[in-house]
Amino acid sequence: NAGVMQNPRHLVRRRGQEARLRCSPMKGHSHVYWYRQLPEEGLKFMVYLQKENIIDESGMPKERFSAEFPKEGPSILRIQQVVRGDSAAYFCASSPQGAPNTGELFFGEGSRLTVL
Amino acid sequence: SQQGEEDPQALSIQEGENATMNCSYKTSINNLQWYRQNSGRGLVHLILIRSNEREKHSGRLRVTLDTSKKSSSLLITASRAADTASYFCATDADTGGFKTIFGAGTRLFVKA
Repeated sequence: NAGVMQNPRHLVRRRGQEARLRCSPMKGHSHVYWYRQLPEEGLKFMVYLQKENIIDESGMPKERFSAEFPKEGPSILRIQQVVRGDSAAYFCASSPQGAPNTGELFFGEGSRLTVL
Repeated sequence: SQQGEEDPQALSIQEGENATMNCSYKTSINNLQWYRQNSGRGLVHLILIRSNEREKHSGRLRVTLDTSKKSSSLLITASRAADTASYFCATDADTGGFKTIFGAGTRLFVKA
Protein backbone atom coordinates (compact mmCIF):
# COMPACT_ATOMS: atom_id res chain seq x y z
CA ASN A 1 0.00 0.00 0.00
CA ALA A 2 2.12 2.85 -1.30
CA GLY A 3 2.16 6.09 0.60
CA VAL A 4 2.15 9.56 -0.88
CA MET A 5 4.61 9.63 -3.76
CA GLN A 6 6.39 12.79 -4.76
CA ASN A 7 8.77 13.31 -7.62
CA PRO A 8 11.29 14.44 -8.32
CA ARG A 9 12.91 14.27 -4.89
CA HIS A 10 15.49 16.83 -5.95
CA LEU A 11 15.22 19.39 -8.71
CA VAL A 12 17.73 22.00 -9.81
CA ARG A 13 16.62 24.86 -12.00
CA ARG A 14 18.20 28.05 -13.24
CA ARG A 15 16.48 31.36 -12.70
CA GLY A 16 13.69 31.86 -15.21
CA GLN A 17 13.06 28.17 -15.85
CA GLU A 18 9.95 26.26 -14.90
CA ALA A 19 9.69 23.74 -12.06
CA ARG A 20 7.04 21.07 -12.11
CA LEU A 21 6.49 18.96 -9.00
CA ARG A 22 4.26 15.92 -8.94
CA CYS A 23 2.33 14.24 -6.16
CA SER A 24 0.36 11.01 -6.20
CA PRO A 25 -1.83 10.74 -3.10
CA MET A 26 -2.41 7.58 -1.16
CA LYS A 27 -4.86 5.19 -2.73
CA GLY A 28 -8.40 6.20 -1.90
CA HIS A 29 -7.46 9.76 -0.92
CA SER A 30 -9.08 12.52 -2.90
CA HIS A 31 -7.80 15.50 -0.88
CA VAL A 32 -4.35 16.90 -1.62
CA TYR A 33 -2.44 19.66 0.10
CA TRP A 34 0.80 21.39 -0.86
CA TYR A 35 3.11 22.97 1.70
CA ARG A 36 6.43 24.79 1.40
CA GLN A 37 9.19 24.53 3.97
CA LEU A 38 12.27 26.72 4.19
CA PRO A 39 15.33 25.40 6.08
CA GLU A 40 14.81 25.32 9.85
CA GLU A 41 11.24 26.56 9.52
CA GLY A 42 7.75 25.13 9.71
CA LEU A 43 5.45 24.25 6.86
CA LYS A 44 3.57 27.03 5.12
CA PHE A 45 0.25 26.08 3.57
CA MET A 46 0.01 26.76 -0.14
CA VAL A 47 -3.03 25.09 -1.64
CA TYR A 48 -5.73 22.49 -1.00
CA LEU A 49 -7.24 20.58 -3.90
CA GLN A 50 -9.78 17.91 -4.53
CA LYS A 51 -10.09 16.09 -7.82
CA GLU A 52 -10.49 18.73 -10.54
CA ASN A 53 -11.13 21.50 -7.99
CA ILE A 54 -9.02 24.03 -6.15
CA ILE A 55 -10.66 24.42 -2.74
CA ASP A 56 -8.29 26.86 -1.04
CA GLU A 57 -5.30 28.55 -2.67
CA SER A 58 -4.93 31.32 -0.12
CA GLY A 59 -1.32 30.40 0.62
CA MET A 60 -0.12 30.38 -2.94
CA PRO A 61 1.57 33.42 -4.49
CA LYS A 62 -0.69 35.04 -7.07
CA GLU A 63 1.94 35.04 -9.76
CA ARG A 64 4.06 32.24 -11.21
CA PHE A 65 2.55 29.48 -9.05
CA SER A 66 -0.27 27.19 -10.07
CA ALA A 67 -1.60 23.83 -8.98
CA GLU A 68 -3.91 21.23 -10.40
CA PHE A 69 -5.30 17.84 -9.49
CA PRO A 70 -6.80 16.34 -12.62
CA LYS A 71 -9.35 13.56 -12.74
CA GLU A 72 -6.62 11.19 -13.83
CA GLY A 73 -3.00 11.40 -12.77
CA PRO A 74 -1.03 13.13 -10.06
CA SER A 75 -1.41 16.57 -8.62
CA ILE A 76 1.02 19.06 -10.15
CA LEU A 77 2.53 22.14 -8.54
CA ARG A 78 4.01 24.37 -11.22
CA ILE A 79 6.34 27.26 -10.61
CA GLN A 80 7.06 29.40 -13.65
CA GLN A 81 10.09 31.67 -14.07
CA VAL A 82 11.67 30.46 -10.85
CA VAL A 83 13.70 32.82 -8.68
CA ARG A 84 16.24 32.02 -5.98
CA GLY A 85 13.63 32.67 -3.28
CA ASP A 86 11.64 29.68 -4.57
CA SER A 87 14.37 27.35 -3.30
CA ALA A 88 12.68 25.24 -0.65
CA ALA A 89 11.29 21.82 0.12
CA TYR A 90 7.78 21.34 -1.21
CA PHE A 91 5.67 18.76 0.58
CA CYS A 92 2.49 17.15 -0.57
CA ALA A 93 0.02 15.55 1.80
CA SER A 94 -3.21 13.69 1.27
CA SER A 95 -6.17 12.72 3.39
CA PRO A 96 -9.24 10.55 2.94
CA GLN A 97 -11.54 13.30 4.13
CA GLY A 98 -11.42 17.02 3.89
CA ALA A 99 -12.08 20.21 5.73
CA PRO A 100 -13.24 21.33 8.12
CA ASN A 101 -12.29 18.22 10.09
CA THR A 102 -9.49 16.84 7.98
CA GLY A 103 -7.74 14.79 10.62
CA GLU A 104 -4.48 13.06 9.90
CA LEU A 105 -2.46 14.16 6.89
CA PHE A 106 -0.21 11.66 5.14
CA PHE A 107 2.93 13.28 3.81
CA GLY A 108 5.27 12.50 0.99
CA GLU A 109 9.04 12.76 1.35
CA GLY A 110 9.09 16.14 -0.35
CA SER A 111 10.62 17.67 -3.45
CA ARG A 112 13.64 19.83 -2.84
CA LEU A 113 13.95 22.64 -5.34
CA THR A 114 17.21 24.48 -5.75
CA VAL A 115 17.29 27.54 -7.97
CA LEU A 116 20.73 28.55 -9.18
CA SER B 1 -2.32 34.58 10.70
CA GLN B 2 -0.23 31.66 11.85
CA GLN B 3 -1.99 29.20 14.09
CA GLY B 4 0.28 26.91 16.08
CA GLU B 5 3.44 28.30 17.61
CA GLU B 6 5.73 25.88 19.42
CA ASP B 7 7.86 26.54 22.42
CA PRO B 8 10.72 26.04 22.98
CA GLN B 9 12.26 26.41 19.54
CA ALA B 10 14.99 23.95 20.48
CA LEU B 11 15.44 21.45 23.29
CA SER B 12 18.46 19.34 24.18
CA ILE B 13 18.13 16.57 26.78
CA GLN B 14 19.84 13.38 27.89
CA GLU B 15 18.51 9.99 26.92
CA GLY B 16 16.02 8.78 29.53
CA GLU B 17 14.78 12.25 30.42
CA ASN B 18 11.33 13.54 29.57
CA ALA B 19 10.80 16.15 26.86
CA THR B 20 7.95 18.64 26.98
CA MET B 21 6.98 20.83 24.06
CA ASN B 22 4.24 23.41 24.04
CA CYS B 23 2.03 24.81 21.32
CA SER B 24 -0.21 27.87 21.35
CA TYR B 25 -2.78 28.80 18.76
CA LYS B 26 -5.01 31.76 18.06
CA THR B 27 -8.45 30.73 16.83
CA SER B 28 -10.87 28.05 17.95
CA ILE B 29 -10.16 24.62 16.50
CA ASN B 30 -11.75 21.32 15.63
CA ASN B 31 -8.67 19.32 16.50
CA LEU B 32 -4.97 19.63 17.16
CA GLN B 33 -2.32 17.26 15.91
CA TRP B 34 1.35 16.64 16.54
CA TYR B 35 3.74 15.57 13.82
CA ARG B 36 7.37 14.54 13.78
CA GLN B 37 9.92 15.24 11.07
CA ASN B 38 13.31 13.64 10.83
CA SER B 39 15.93 15.69 9.04
CA GLY B 40 15.36 15.69 5.29
CA ARG B 41 12.21 13.62 5.50
CA GLY B 42 8.46 14.11 5.34
CA LEU B 43 6.23 14.60 8.36
CA VAL B 44 4.81 11.66 10.25
CA HIS B 45 1.59 11.93 12.20
CA LEU B 46 1.94 11.17 15.92
CA ILE B 47 -1.35 11.91 17.61
CA LEU B 48 -4.60 13.83 17.19
CA ILE B 49 -6.62 15.34 20.00
CA ARG B 50 -10.11 16.68 19.41
CA SER B 51 -11.34 19.96 20.82
CA ASN B 52 -13.59 18.18 23.32
CA GLU B 53 -10.72 16.06 24.68
CA ARG B 54 -8.30 17.16 27.38
CA GLU B 55 -5.66 14.46 27.37
CA LYS B 56 -4.57 11.61 25.16
CA HIS B 57 -1.87 8.95 25.38
CA SER B 58 -0.07 6.91 22.78
CA GLY B 59 2.84 4.80 23.94
CA ARG B 60 5.45 7.17 25.38
CA LEU B 61 3.52 10.21 24.14
CA ARG B 62 1.10 12.23 26.21
CA VAL B 63 -0.77 15.18 24.75
CA THR B 64 -2.86 17.69 26.66
CA LEU B 65 -5.18 20.32 25.28
CA ASP B 66 -6.47 23.40 27.08
CA THR B 67 -8.95 25.15 24.82
CA SER B 68 -9.50 27.96 27.34
CA LYS B 69 -5.82 28.86 27.04
CA LYS B 70 -5.59 27.82 23.40
CA SER B 71 -2.58 25.68 24.15
CA SER B 72 -1.38 22.10 23.94
CA SER B 73 1.62 20.22 25.23
CA LEU B 74 3.40 17.11 23.98
CA LEU B 75 5.29 15.05 26.54
CA ILE B 76 7.72 12.35 25.42
CA THR B 77 8.67 10.16 28.36
CA ALA B 78 11.91 8.22 28.73
CA SER B 79 13.38 9.79 25.61
CA ARG B 80 15.69 7.90 23.28
CA ALA B 81 18.35 9.11 20.87
CA ALA B 82 15.99 8.02 18.07
CA ASP B 83 13.48 10.64 19.25
CA THR B 84 15.81 13.33 17.90
CA ALA B 85 13.69 15.19 15.34
CA SER B 86 11.57 18.30 14.85
CA TYR B 87 8.09 18.23 16.31
CA PHE B 88 5.24 20.33 14.92
CA CYS B 89 1.77 21.03 16.15
CA ALA B 90 -0.96 21.56 13.57
CA THR B 91 -4.52 22.81 13.87
CA ASP B 92 -7.71 22.58 11.87
CA ALA B 93 -9.57 25.80 12.49
CA ASP B 94 -13.33 25.60 12.88
CA THR B 95 -13.85 29.01 11.34
CA GLY B 96 -14.57 27.78 7.85
CA GLY B 97 -11.01 27.66 6.63
CA PHE B 98 -9.86 24.72 4.59
CA LYS B 99 -6.33 24.20 5.73
CA THR B 100 -4.32 22.55 8.44
CA ILE B 101 -1.84 25.09 9.78
CA PHE B 102 1.55 24.12 11.17
CA GLY B 103 3.71 25.90 13.69
CA ALA B 104 7.43 26.56 13.35
CA GLY B 105 8.37 23.45 15.32
CA THR B 106 10.51 22.42 18.26
CA ARG B 107 13.85 20.85 17.42
CA LEU B 108 14.55 18.10 19.92
CA PHE B 109 18.01 16.66 20.35
CA VAL B 110 18.37 13.64 22.62
CA LYS B 111 21.94 12.90 23.63
CA ALA B 112 22.91 9.26 24.09
